Amino acid sequence: GAVVSQHPSWVICKSGTSVKIECRSLDFQATTMFWYRQFPKQSLMLMATSNEGSKATYEQGVEKDKFLINHASLTLSTLTVTSAHPEDSSFYICSAREGNTEAFFGQGTRLTVV
Amino acid sequence: KQEVTQIPAALSVPEGENLVLNCSFTDSAIYNLQWFRQDPGKGLTSLLLIQSSQREQTSGRLNASLDKSSGRSTLYIAASQPGDSATYLCAVDNNDMRFGAGTRLTVKP
Repeated sequence: GAVVSQHPSWVICKSGTSVKIECRSLDFQATTMFWYRQFPKQSLMLMATSNEGSKATYEQGVEKDKFLINHASLTLSTLTVTSAHPEDSSFYICSAREGNTEAFFGQGTRLTVV
Repeated sequence: KQEVTQIPAALSVPEGENLVLNCSFTDSAIYNLQWFRQDPGKGLTSLLLIQSSQREQTSGRLNASLDKSSGRSTLYIAASQPGDSATYLCAVDNNDMRFGAGTRLTVKP
């Protein structure tokens, strides 16, 4: 299957700082990318959907000014957690697909805010 | 908004048993449905993808079925092994992918 690379795999940051997570499609054009968040012992919750060159569509309850998503090219989307706080500590996973084909998932990023 | 439900939430079986995990969804206008496995603290491993035009897919001891009209899918695991212990997630794709809460499976030796 196609490969989606997510970086970093884990990050620890201080409260109040910002963290950027990258999601790259390595061998296909990701016209759509999805960002998910997973708290311990819970399922993946969709945060936002982004189409290349357009503003992301955020799910209800997800603050767009706190979770900045940039899908500027067909191979890269970034999620920036701004002014991170301990409650933002979570497992973040991206997925990408071309058109309406199968979506492929990154390896995930474990964020710990101290 | 698509709602995805998985039953049971947890399941514990002795090694060798055949078992069925269930997934239901509210909006039948889907592109595809996918089953994943997630080990503790890890990412997702894709198991089976069923396109909306298909009724089932098989891979080794795994068989997934899809009944789009009734909004249901099942994942059948034959001859379960301790290595199958994990959380199994169902994801439904109709323009965005939404996950069920998962079934936490424990297979006892």
